[in-house]
Amino acid sequence: DAGVTQSPTHLIKTRGQQVTLRCSPKSGHDTVSWYQQALGQGPQFIFQYYEEEERQRGNFPDRFSGHQFPNYSSELNVNALLLGDSALYLCASSFPGGAAYEQYFGPGTRLTVT
Amino acid sequence: AQKITQTQPGMFVQEKEAVTLDCTYDTSDQSYGLFWYKQPSSGEMIFLIYQGSYDEQNATEGRYSLNFQKARKSANLVISASQLGDSAMYFCAMREGYGGSQGNLIFGKGTKLSVKP
Repeated sequence: DAGVTQSPTHLIKTRGQQVTLRCSPKSGHDTVSWYQQALGQGPQFIFQYYEEEERQRGNFPDRFSGHQFPNYSSELNVNALLLGDSALYLCASSFPGGAAYEQYFGPGTRLTVT
Repeated sequence: AQKITQTQPGMFVQEKEAVTLDCTYDTSDQSYGLFWYKQPSSGEMIFLIYQGSYDEQNATEGRYSLNFQKARKSANLVISASQLGDSAMYFCAMREGYGGSQGNLIFGKGTKLSVKP
């Protein structure tokens, strides 16, 4: 049973460019949440997708957008990259009927903006 | 506003000894859940233990136990018999609302645990 997978593992982009990160949830999970973890900090919630719609959003600008596909996989898009967007981006999956602790994280995508 | 505070940036523990990692939280909700995650250098967040705000017993999972003191709003993680593989970052997190796995997590800044042989 595959856990949460993310691609790519590492990514280097230039300031001003756009980037797309991908996440496939754990089998049986239909909800995907995205987090940004800057160096030396705890993860910060970006947004959550359920039934192909953004259900919750954290305090992130509109440059951060997402999408969820019918197979529950998700993309995180960041436009007009800033140096401060350099971080580890974590995806977590869950499902509404799950126990409270059932939110599993993927290995993350490490984004470097130069 | 909800907040998680971890006051220990770094901790050292001798192999086979116990260690306590501190976590305090702030919320106005009566229903919430508290989590501890381990993050090795590889980056993946590994779930360790969960405590619901209405759970009367402190949670335990193998060598991990959560010392939940609701009145003091603290949820300290105790690791017994430390192993070299326990060296990692540890994050305390909170989700408001009780039950279910939806809703976003609010994380503290983490504690870096180093286990000495």
